[in-house]
Amino acid sequence: QVQLQQSGPRLVKPSQTLSLTCAISGDSVSSNNAAWDWIRQSPSKGLEWLGRTYYKSKWYNDFAPSVQSRITITPDTSKNQFSLHLSSVSPEDTAVYYCARNSPAELLSFDSWSQGTLVTVSS
Amino acid sequence: EIVLTQSPATLSLSPGERATLSCRASHSVVSFLAWYQQKPGQAPRLLIYDTSNRATGIPARFSGSGSGTDFTLTISSLEPEDFAVYFCQQRSGWPPTFGGGTKVEIK
Repeated sequence: QVQLQQSGPRLVKPSQTLSLTCAISGDSVSSNNAAWDWIRQSPSKGLEWLGRTYYKSKWYNDFAPSVQSRITITPDTSKNQFSLHLSSVSPEDTAVYYCARNSPAELLSFDSWSQGTLVTVSS
Repeated sequence: EIVLTQSPATLSLSPGERATLSCRASHSVVSFLAWYQQKPGQAPRLLIYDTSNRATGIPARFSGSGSGTDFTLTISSLEPEDFAVYFCQQRSGWPPTFGGGTKVEIK
């Protein structure tokens, strides 16, 4: 059974970088049969897919156009985890952030989710 | 991007009744539509993927149908634990997008 455990600050100042980490148990970040995603949820935008990282002979990333210029997702195979970095945040980035798995990678339906972290962007 | 519109916004039903939830896409998503259930304070849970395939451990009372732009999630007989918010999600267009949700509440 896959479990995803998030960590990271819950308060970020405007213009700074939001960083969250998702630790994986029960699967591998470098699995050839899964992708590792970040999704957020806010009252104003609902559920919004942000991006993913996955390994198929080499590492790939895909990002939503709405955040593409500000987002990085990086895997850490030594710790079996992956991280989200969202730069130049504004109050509109305030949301509950989830990490999730989709397996197989091409399915893009999310079968495991973290508990979620409310991140507030405020000075 | 593809916009998903869910209706109704709220569905008031009693345990044992049948629930029918709708999801309409702004462009065809073929059969690449999933459904999720979300309870307060919890993450969404995958129920159905690719229109009609139940995810692991999902009871048979949940079923999905449709194609193209019109999709339906049916709960054949509501159990107390089924009162929640339900979201649809498409993976046909880029990026993947979610609907706004339907709340199934106890009447």
